[in-house]
Parts: sequence; structure tokens; C-alpha cells
Amino acid sequence: QVQLVQSGAEVKKPGSSVKVSCTASGGTFNSYAVNWVRQAPGLGLEWMGRIIPIFGTTYYAQRFQGRVTFTADKSTSTAYMELTSLTSEDTAIYFCACLLDYWGQGSLVTVSS
Amino acid sequence: DIQMTQSPSSLSASVGDRVTITCRASQDIRNELGWFQQKPGKAPKRLIYAASSLQSGVPSRFSGTGSGTEFTLTISSLQSEDFATYYCLQHNTDPWTFGQGTTVEIK
Repeated sequence: QVQLVQSGAEVKKPGSSVKVSCTASGGTFNSYAVNWVRQAPGLGLEWMGRIIPIFGTTYYAQRFQGRVTFTADKSTSTAYMELTSLTSEDTAIYFCACLLDYWGQGSLVTVSS
Repeated sequence: DIQMTQSPSSLSASVGDRVTITCRASQDIRNELGWFQQKPGKAPKRLIYAASSLQSGVPSRFSGTGSGTEFTLTISSLQSEDFATYYCLQHNTDPWTFGQGTTVEIK
């Protein structure tokens, strides 16, 4: 059974960038999409977009376009989410999810001066 | 974007109660909707897929109905482990969109 393991918590300065990783252990992404979802403190879930690692194709929700990049390394079954020009509003837990049934544990990103 | 209007935003209920949560889509999404349960500090867990199919391993007290624009999640007899926040998600049209969430609290 696939398990998704994400990178650890990060503290970033406003204006900087963060890159979160999501590694599939016990399996691979195969041809499935990896979705990225974030959750600001005390708020609901927000879908950011997806990447299909085997093809490298991506879709970004419009509100993140120009600031977010999804990539994947098929050799290590790792997907990445990079978010630039960070503001305090980007403080959130970032989740990766495959098939909507397999979720990472979440990566807390805190943006603070 | 498709708007998912979820109601109520919160509810208080007792163990054994029947609970119903509703999601309304701003346009037809066929049956391309899932229901998720999230507990504090944890990742969401899908309970229902394709609007009415029970995910493997999920107790049968959970059920989903609906298609088109109106969907419901029902918990037939609330158990203590069901106190959590529930979200619907439409994946018919990009961008996918979640409902605002329903927090089920102990009365």
C-alpha cells in the first residue's frame, strides 16, 4: 500500500520561497495524479492543483498561477510543490494526495518576519 | 469556478443521533463528488466516492446520496469517533472545489 511521506515544517520570511516534497513509499505514483491541498490555520481545505508525474503535466488553480510550480522525480517517486513570493496568508499545512485516498501527513509552512 | 455550498457549517449532536450534511453545487457535477472526514491535526480521509459509494473499510453508518447539484452525507447513528469536520469535494471540473466544511460537535 502506498504511503506518502512529506518533508518537515518550514519557517520562511515574507517574499521568500518554499519547496515541499512528497515521497511515495511502498509503491509509486504510477500514472496517477498527485494533488496538492492546503489548509490555513482554523480554515477549510483548498485545492491548489495537480501533477501527473509520469507525464509531467500540471494544472494550477488560478489563484496560485504564477507563484506555484509542481514537479516530480519519477526515479525517486517524489513530487514537489514550490510556492514563491510568500506572504503571511500562505501560512498553512500543505498536503499531497494521490487518488484522494492516499494522503501525506502534511507539511506546516509558517511565513513570518 | 464551481461553488460548493455546504450546510450547516456546524452542528451539535449526541451519540446515536442521525446526522445529515448537505452540499449544493453551483452547476451540474453529475456524481463526481466525494465526502471527507478530517480530525484535528490529521489529513482528510475519504468516506464516500462517486457521491454514493462507500470507501472500503468505512463503517456502513455513513452513506451518500445525490447527483447533479444536490448531495447529502448521512451518518445513521453517530458514534464518538465521528466527531470531526466533514468536507465535500467536486472533481467534475477544474479547479476542484471543496465545501466550506461542517464541524460535528458533541452536544
